[in-house]
Amino acid sequence: KQEVTQIPAALSVPEGENLVLNCSFTDSAIYNLQWFRQDPGKGLTSLLLIQSSQREQTSGRLNASLDKSSGRSTLYIAASQPGDSATYLCAVSGGYQKVTFGIGTKLQVIP
Amino acid sequence: DGGITQSPKYLFRKEGQNVTLSCEQNLNHDAMYWYRQDPGQGLRLIYYSQIVNDFQKGDIAEGYSVSREKKESFPLTVTSAQKNPTAFYLCASSAGQPFSYEQYFGPGTRLTVT
Repeated sequence: KQEVTQIPAALSVPEGENLVLNCSFTDSAIYNLQWFRQDPGKGLTSLLLIQSSQREQTSGRLNASLDKSSGRSTLYIAASQPGDSATYLCAVSGGYQKVTFGIGTKLQVIP
Repeated sequence: DGGITQSPKYLFRKEGQNVTLSCEQNLNHDAMYWYRQDPGQGLRLIYYSQIVNDFQKGDIAEGYSVSREKKESFPLTVTSAQKNPTAFYLCASSAGQPFSYEQYFGPGTRLTVT
């Protein structure tokens, strides 16, 4: 059974700091991994999708990497801003379970 | 504007009543999904659909039903058989084969059953 873990569960950083969010998964037979952000009471906003054949994807200040063999992905946020405050979720697709979501990392960027 | 709409935003029902949540997309996506989100848990897949008139059970389909009569629409019915229906429900869609491409989510419907 695929399990997805996100560490830390919560993170508080001062504005301007670069930060890394982690996502680990137990079954490396995946199709892709997707990072989302979720604001309180809202739906999910897609940030980046990495296919299993890719090592990383970049969008603006965000960079996501994927290491299938070790079952890890990281989301790097450069020069964090208060508007980045949200919960960040990762989701792994593939295999019998179709898709498995992590519980998320709640990020607070302090002005 | 292309996107996914869900209605209503908040829904209140009495125990024993069936309730239908709406999901519409104008992204021309083939695949659509329903998830529920509970505090302290990751999103869980209820149902998904690859094409019109076809849908598959997800991990927690018991007590739920869906239909896919139009490409744009994928309504979810929460039946009285669902033991713990109070949750935040999220609809999503993607191009191509299910789970192969980027998923886009709607704003969600918060259902409270008392």
